Amino acid sequence: EAGVAQSPRYKIIEKRQSVAFWCNPISGHATLYWYQQILGQGPKLLIQFQNNGVVDDSQLPKDRFSAERLKGVDSTLKIQPAKLEDSAVYLCASSRTSGGVNTGELFFGEGSRLTVL
Amino acid sequence: AQSVTQLGSHVSVSEGALVLLRCNYSSSVPPYLFWYVQYPNQGLQLLLKYTSAATLVKGINGFEAEFKKSETSFHLTKPSAHMSDAAEYFCAVSVGGRRGGTASKLTFGTGTRLQVTL
Repeated sequence: EAGVAQSPRYKIIEKRQSVAFWCNPISGHATLYWYQQILGQGPKLLIQFQNNGVVDDSQLPKDRFSAERLKGVDSTLKIQPAKLEDSAVYLCASSRTSGGVNTGELFFGEGSRLTVL
Repeated sequence: AQSVTQLGSHVSVSEGALVLLRCNYSSSVPPYLFWYVQYPNQGLQLLLKYTSAATLVKGINGFEAEFKKSETSFHLTKPSAHMSDAAEYFCAVSVGGRRGGTASKLTFGTGTRLQVTL
């Protein structure tokens, strides 16, 4: 089965510009996550979707970050305007939620590396 | 809320030596625990997971981890390191989702970079 797809892999922008990242999860995975991984740190959850609804966006900087998953499949994460501290790898992940208890096992894409100058 | 603490941001071992990466967790309910590996410029790949079955969990590439409730630990080991094991390793905790309901999120540690020398 195909894995989690993300694009672009790399993006360099000036501060105050905008950027968008796209993610297509594994087919049939109802739950989709966006994580931010700053160099030298562990991934931090930005937002979690269940189908097309938001489950958790408590750590999403809503003044500049937005995300959507309109049809419950692929998702877009946008940053506008970008700040220097947004330089990071943005990881998309998905997991199954059906039938038995979901253990939280995530399947990750390769990430989108953002550099803000 | 759940959390994990990884002791040691960098670990260096010789090829063929024992690998031990430490992880302690904090959770108010029985946790699910994971180890992920990240190679340069790649996403995270699951090494192994503990989901309340056997306390000794075997994963890919010869890694294993033991869940010790009394010590709130889930340390990762491998008897003999290989050069290809050099990577970043992340411990993560989840409290799981309700049956048929919303999946729980993973909370990650800060990572341990494993260096393997000749």
